[in-house]
Amino acid sequence: EPEVTQTPSHQVTQMGQEVILRCVPISNHLYFYWYRQILGQKVEFLVSFYNNEISEKSEIFDDQFSVERPDGSNFTLKIRSTKLEDSAMYFCASSGAGQGLGYTFGSGTRLTVV
Amino acid sequence: DAKTTQPPSMDCAEGRAANLPCNHSTISGNEYVYWYRQIHSQGPQYIIHGLKNNETNEMASLIITEDRKSSTLILPHATLRDTAVYYCIVGPYSGGGADGLTFGKGTHLIIQP
Repeated sequence: EPEVTQTPSHQVTQMGQEVILRCVPISNHLYFYWYRQILGQKVEFLVSFYNNEISEKSEIFDDQFSVERPDGSNFTLKIRSTKLEDSAMYFCASSGAGQGLGYTFGSGTRLTVV
Repeated sequence: DAKTTQPPSMDCAEGRAANLPCNHSTISGNEYVYWYRQIHSQGPQYIIHGLKNNETNEMASLIITEDRKSSTLILPHATLRDTAVYYCIVGPYSGGGADGLTFGKGTHLIIQP
């Protein structure tokens, strides 16, 4: 069964440092997403991406965040200057749009900012 | 905010059917009902979705009331591996498109041996 792959599974970074979280979506999917989940809280939508541009973003996705699809397979989330409150699980998802299968989520990257 | 209301937790005996209710009284005509689950801290897993007809797949059945204001997810023969948080989500189209999904707190289903 096709999977969304995320790397790394764990990342520890110092406050103020830049981090890049990586995702390989399912190959024939067209829509890509990032979500985050702070420990013990709800899964929150960050951003959606289609046709090489952002389609929708939430209030959480401020200027510190950016996304990119640098090649035909990877989808990245960059946090420019991490804050303690950025510590969370970050989930990548992809969707085939109209295929009726919903999203496929990756297993997540646990980001810890110290 | 999530447009759905779910009980925070439920118990079910292993081997029995687990029936998870969801209220979505403000659902609009073009919105689907999606169910996802999250086992421990893994990524959410898609289970099933529907618009107005009842749906069944290899994982579960979805029963949507005629007025579409509520639905029930049925796991026909629950196993210990079905212990998870189950999210009922109302969203656009059929899972694709640009819109993000709004997750609520879900129902923590605990399958008892």
